[in-house]
This record gives sequence, structure tokens and C-alpha cells, in this order.
Amino acid sequence: GIQVEQSPPDLILQEGANSTLRCNFSDSVNNLQWFHQNPWGQLINLFYIPSGTKQNGRLSATTVATERYSLLYISSSQTTDSGVYFCAGPMDSNYQLIWGAGTKLIIKP
Amino acid sequence: EPEVTQTPSHQVTQMGQEVILRCVPISNHLYFYWYRQILGQKVEFLVSFYNNEISEKSEIFDDQFSVERPDGSNFTLKIRSTKLEDSAMYFCASGIERALQPQHFGDGTRLSIL
Repeated sequence: GIQVEQSPPDLILQEGANSTLRCNFSDSVNNLQWFHQNPWGQLINLFYIPSGTKQNGRLSATTVATERYSLLYISSSQTTDSGVYFCAGPMDSNYQLIWGAGTKLIIKP
Repeated sequence: EPEVTQTPSHQVTQMGQEVILRCVPISNHLYFYWYRQILGQKVEFLVSFYNNEISEKSEIFDDQFSVERPDGSNFTLKIRSTKLEDSAMYFCASGIERALQPQHFGDGTRLSIL
């Protein structure tokens, strides 16, 4: 089945820094979602991005479907950005989301 | 913006007891899902539901699990006889269609089995 790999697994940054999180897929996906899991465990949907680039405030995401990867950019990091970031994409046959292991981001004040 | 709501937010249950987790999907959505996340691990698919029947299920979704849409709004996950390893965060999701649209997630139910 499809495999989802995220990198880096852990990232520690100072407040104000920029970061790039990567998601690689072993097979083509026809849509992809990025989530932020906050310290309370809630999954916050950041982007639905099957291809191209989207921006929402300090966050933006780019998916290059032909090359099977997606990037999440966080600019001017704030402590509230801390948490785990997941990417997930569906299997072709039944559209269940297959999840990466996540990138744990810690933003230090 | 419409949301997927889940209740309770936290459930503590003795091992061997039955537990029902409840979800209210977004009203015009047709596809419903349950996912599970054991503490510190990745999110895993459990089951998908469409047109009042299970469309796909994972190996995790064994005979101890069942899902139901008892009325037009609720979507429930039942675990018949809970085990310690059922302790996890359970997420409900819904989608307006299977492909080309995102799945929308609830805030989760944290299930603790004692």
C-alpha cells in the first residue's frame, strides 16, 4: 500500500524562525491534507492541497503531485505553532487517509 | 463554518465494558469515517461508512467494533468489550464525497481503559 514519509521527525526553533516540513508519498495521490495536532490532541485542518500552492496567513503549502511530495512552510514561527504536523492522503481504492508519522515542532520563546 | 462534533471529549471505562463514541457529522456530508491514534503514534484508519453500510474497514476493526448511523444525524462507534490496548484518541471524520474533497475531523474522544 501507499507509504507516507514525513521529515524531519523533530524540529526545534526559536520564535520568529521559518521552517519547511516535507511529506513524501510512495505513490501518486489525487488529494492531500495537512493537519496540525495541538497539545490537547485536536486535529486542525490546515490545507487541502492536491496540487499547486496555497497560502493562509503565515502558513503556505505546495504539492507537486507528479513528484509525489508536498511541503508545508511556516514563516515567523510563534509558540502557538508548536505541536505535531501531519500530512495524509487517500488510497486510490477506497479513499481512507493514510497518515505520515508526523513532524513534532517545538517553538521556543 | 459547519463542524464535526464528537462526544464525550474524554471517556474512562473499565476493561471489558462496552463503550459508545458519538459523532455528529456535517449535515450534507455522505461519507463517514473513524480513525484511531494511540498516544504518540500516527493516526490509523478504522472504518468508512456510506449509504448506511460499511464501505471499507481495516484489520484493526475486528468483531469487537461496530458502527451505526441510528438516525439522520448521529454516527456512532461501539466497542463491545474494551481492552487496555483500545486506549487511544478516536477521531470521527466526514466528507461530502470520497475524492477531490477534504475530510473534516472532529476534536476527538480520548478513551482511557482502566
